[in-house]
This record gives sequence, C-alpha cells and structure tokens, in this order.
Amino acid sequence: DQQVKQNSPSLSVQEGRISILNCDYTNSMFDYFLWYKKYPAEGPTFLISISSIKDKNEDGRFTVFLNKSAKHLSLHIVPSQPGDSAVYFCAAADLLVEGNLIFGKGTKLSVKP
Amino acid sequence: DGGITQSPKYLFRKEGQNVTLSCEQNLNHDAMYWYRQDPGQGLRLIYYSQIVNDFQKGDIAEGYSVSREKKESFPLTVTSAQKNPTAFYLCATKKGQANSPLHFGNGTRLTVT
Repeated sequence: DQQVKQNSPSLSVQEGRISILNCDYTNSMFDYFLWYKKYPAEGPTFLISISSIKDKNEDGRFTVFLNKSAKHLSLHIVPSQPGDSAVYFCAAADLLVEGNLIFGKGTKLSVKP
Repeated sequence: DGGITQSPKYLFRKEGQNVTLSCEQNLNHDAMYWYRQDPGQGLRLIYYSQIVNDFQKGDIAEGYSVSREKKESFPLTVTSAQKNPTAFYLCATKKGQANSPLHFGNGTRLTVT
C-alpha cells in the first residue's frame, strides 16, 4: 500500500505561469515532508521541506503548503521556468527507520517556453 | 551532490555475476542509505547504515549485501540472487539532526543481460 501518493504522473505548464504539484499521504502521524527535483540519470536534489507544525513554507519561487486534515501537500512554483522541467518527488519522513524517506512515484513537470 | 560520489555511472553485467556499486562521501555524515529506482516508481530502500560497522535491511534487501567498514564508504553488492537487478541505484547520506534532508549521489545505472 502506497503511503505517499502523487496521482498525476505528468503536468505541462506554460513558462511564467504557476505550477502546482500535488501529493497525498495516508499516515496522519507523518510529521516531516520534503520535495525533491530529479533530472534523468541524476540523483534527486532537495528543494524544500515542511514540518507538520507549519502549514506553509516558502523559499524563493517554491512554496509548499500542508493541509493536515486532508493529508495533502502541494508544491507551488511561481513563475515556472523551462529549467524547472524535471520529475518532482514528494516524500515523508519514515516513522520506523530513522532518516529514511517514503517517496511518491513522482510527477514529471514540463514547462514550455 | 558534490560530496557523494557513486561510481561507475553506467555498469553492465551478465546474468549470474555479482557486481559491487561504490558510494563514497566526504560530508562526514553518519548515516548512509541505498535506494533503487525503477521507471515510473518512487525510490525504495534497500539497506541503510546509521553508524560504522552496523547496517540494517530496508524494504527490498533480498539479493543485495552491503558493508560499512569506514564512515566514508558504503558499497552495495548486487548478487546473482537478485531477480530483477537492472535499475538505477542511488546512494544517500544524512546529517545526524532530526528533520534534515537526505543528500543523494548521482546514481549508478546497472544493466544486467
């Protein structure tokens, strides 16, 4: 059973517009969430994280929103740039294995010029 | 991530042969992790090590082995017992503090024919 779900395998957005990537989780005890960006044949790069005591965290063009009651988080990228085209993974900190992250399957974002 | 080196980038082996993937880090992180990524899938934990000379199985450890003789090094051996070894393998490290992200190497693409 998937504990972290990214239901949209792909998303296409025009350059300059907002990209919204969504993620749902099943375990209400999760308390730390992260977003990673990944280019083909490279390792994931950490983007932004959020603790469950917050509902929003912002870093430049990237904002993560957390809705604990809905067990949902989203990553907003504004404005989107062609260089943002990559696969984005949502992850939650594993409660059983220290340091391990439980990943969603990823959403491939394409930003068109 | 410049502090985590995985080699080689691409590896080809014949079925039935064991193969060892290298992971070296100079970040002075105690914890190290091995993940596997398959197309359209999230990352799955193979093995992890929180400290030198100690390691634990992750979710998909069958057919793999590791060692952690030095803090800097966490090699992964893919044995002939692993039924579907062709995949993208990622090594990661983590600082000791809680709620800190994993840092990933650039991965090794293993193809077994």
